[in-house]
Amino acid sequence: DAKTTQPTSMDCAEGRAANLPCNHSTISGNEYVYWYRQIHSQGPQYIIHGLKNNETNEMASLIITEDRKSSTLILPHATLRDTAVYYCIVRVGGGSQGNLIFGKGTKLSVKP
Amino acid sequence: EPEVTQTPSHQVTQMGQEVILRCVPISNHLYFYWYRQILGQKVEFLVSFYNNEISEKSEIFDDQFSVERPDGSNFTLKIRSTKLEDSAMYFCASRTGRTSNQPQHFGDGTRLSIL
Repeated sequence: DAKTTQPTSMDCAEGRAANLPCNHSTISGNEYVYWYRQIHSQGPQYIIHGLKNNETNEMASLIITEDRKSSTLILPHATLRDTAVYYCIVRVGGGSQGNLIFGKGTKLSVKP
Repeated sequence: EPEVTQTPSHQVTQMGQEVILRCVPISNHLYFYWYRQILGQKVEFLVSFYNNEISEKSEIFDDQFSVERPDGSNFTLKIRSTKLEDSAMYFCASRTGRTSNQPQHFGDGTRLSIL
């Protein structure tokens, strides 16, 4: 699975959009980009995933560049409850494996 | 919304004792996983399970570990003879087999403390 690079930490003002970048320059054609977050010591929470098209759900939007070498997770109106560690993970879809390889992620602090 | 549930939330065990961590995956899911996270470190993959057998395991998952799906609803992780370094949060995850890219959904974990 391709390696990802994320900033160690970011701050965001409450109510503003949080834009979390991720580089995955070695991503291959059949690898998906997944975003999870972990609030304190809770289990990782799935946010969104995509292959090459931009995706949106009730939690966030995922923007993937045309060359697929980077992506941005957008939380449109960040709240204090969005303070968490955000993980960008790429992996091949398919098969009975597909275990996730977590990096250190980005610690997002949403401030009032 | 259906969720993965894990019990107990906190388990304290003496070193050398056996421990069983329990998980109830989401009901229509077919793929099951265990991960662990030592305090302050990354989430690490342990094992994946499909069709009643292990499909992949990491180097961490040695002979002291085993998994089982005893009754079609529970998914358990057993550590035969615990060591101090087994102290960690253990997370269970599951995913549907509907399409190959479906995401894994995690439980809130069991905190295992070895004394």
